[in-house]
Parts: sequence; C-alpha cells; structure tokens
Amino acid sequence: GENVEQHPSTLSVQEGDSAVIKCTYSDSASNYFPWYKQELGKRPQLIIDIRSNVGEKKDQRIAVTLNKTAKHFSLHITETQPEDSAVYFCAASKGSNYQLIWGAGTKLIIKP
Amino acid sequence: ETGVTQTPRHLVMGMTNKKSLKCEQHLGHNAMYWYKQSAKKPLELMFVYSLEERVENNSVPSRFSPECPNSSHLFLHLHTLQPEDSALYLCASSQLLAGVNTGELFFGEGSRLTVL
Repeated sequence: GENVEQHPSTLSVQEGDSAVIKCTYSDSASNYFPWYKQELGKRPQLIIDIRSNVGEKKDQRIAVTLNKTAKHFSLHITETQPEDSAVYFCAASKGSNYQLIWGAGTKLIIKP
Repeated sequence: ETGVTQTPRHLVMGMTNKKSLKCEQHLGHNAMYWYKQSAKKPLELMFVYSLEERVENNSVPSRFSPECPNSSHLFLHLHTLQPEDSALYLCASSQLLAGVNTGELFFGEGSRLTVL
C-alpha cells in the first residue's frame, strides 16, 4: 500500500549546526507535502508545506526540497536552536487532507 | 477559548466502560478529524467529517463511534475498548475550499487514553 518512509528516527545535532530529515513516498500521484512539528506534550503544528509544482520552499531557517523523480522530500533546518527540539512529521497526499499518509516521525535533539 | 480544544486531556477506563472524547473548534472550519497517535508510529486517520457529513472511515473498529452534531463539535464515543487502544487521540480541523482539499490541519492537544 501507499506509505511514507521517514529517516532518521532520531537526530542529534549541535546547537548552531544544520539538521536534515528525509522522507520518501511511494505514490507518484502525491502532490502535497506538509511538515509538522510536535513539541513534547504539545499539539502538532504545521511549519512548512510544498506542492508538487515547485522544487523548493524557504521560510527563514527552514526549507523543504522536493525531488519528484526520486519521490523524496527533505526538511532542512539551519542554525539550529534549543527550541527546535521536537518530533517532526512529514506527510504526503495526492489531493486531499483525507488522503494524507504520514511518516513515523523524527525526534530532533539539539545539544547545547 | 481559541483554536481546537479537547476534553478530557487524560482518561483512564476499564474495558467494560463507556466514555466519550470531546473536541471543539473555534476557527470556523468546515472539516474535522480524529487521529490516533501511538509512540513511534505514523499518525492514523480514523474519521473525517466535512460539513458534518462523515466522508472517511478507515476501517476503524466499531468500538469507536464518532458523532458530529454541528461544524464546531466532534465526539468520539468509546465502548468495550482493548488495552491496545491506549494512545493519544488527536482532533483536528481544517478549512476545505472548493477545489482545494489540502491545507493546514489545526490540531488539539489530544486526549491521552489508557485502557486497563
């Protein structure tokens, strides 16, 4: 069936360094790719999303890149800060929120 | 209250109990969702209501019963649950526009359910 693989499951980086989380999807019809951040004990919140008609999108320190040929998309966080510590979830959809397929999450740890 | 609120935040119940989870959204959205979140697993979509009509039911066991009395409220009725149903249950809402069925999901903080 359709699935989204997310790697790594845990990522530990030094404060100030960059972090990259990668997701691979199986359904080539997917056209919407959001990323959600969930801090400990808090609700998931959308941090950035991308649609299949663009290859890259940036918002301050975060960026998402999409490679439709390889069917993968990545989240890039630069100049990491302690408040970036959280679990990050990727998802892919082929046209509806009802059809979002989620990755299993990446726990990002920022070391001081 | 703003955003999406869920009650109760924590619930412990026996396998023979009947309880309900409540979700309320104050965002004027037209779609509401129930998700199950288990540790180190992808979010599992359980139910979707669009304009108060259920549009998705991902083969969820009948011991979970949703109810959407209006566009702002969503319930999940629970009965004869199993220990493996213990999880965080998240409610979400979104605004679906004509021709655009993808967009930001606004989540509640969840109801942590423990089934003994």
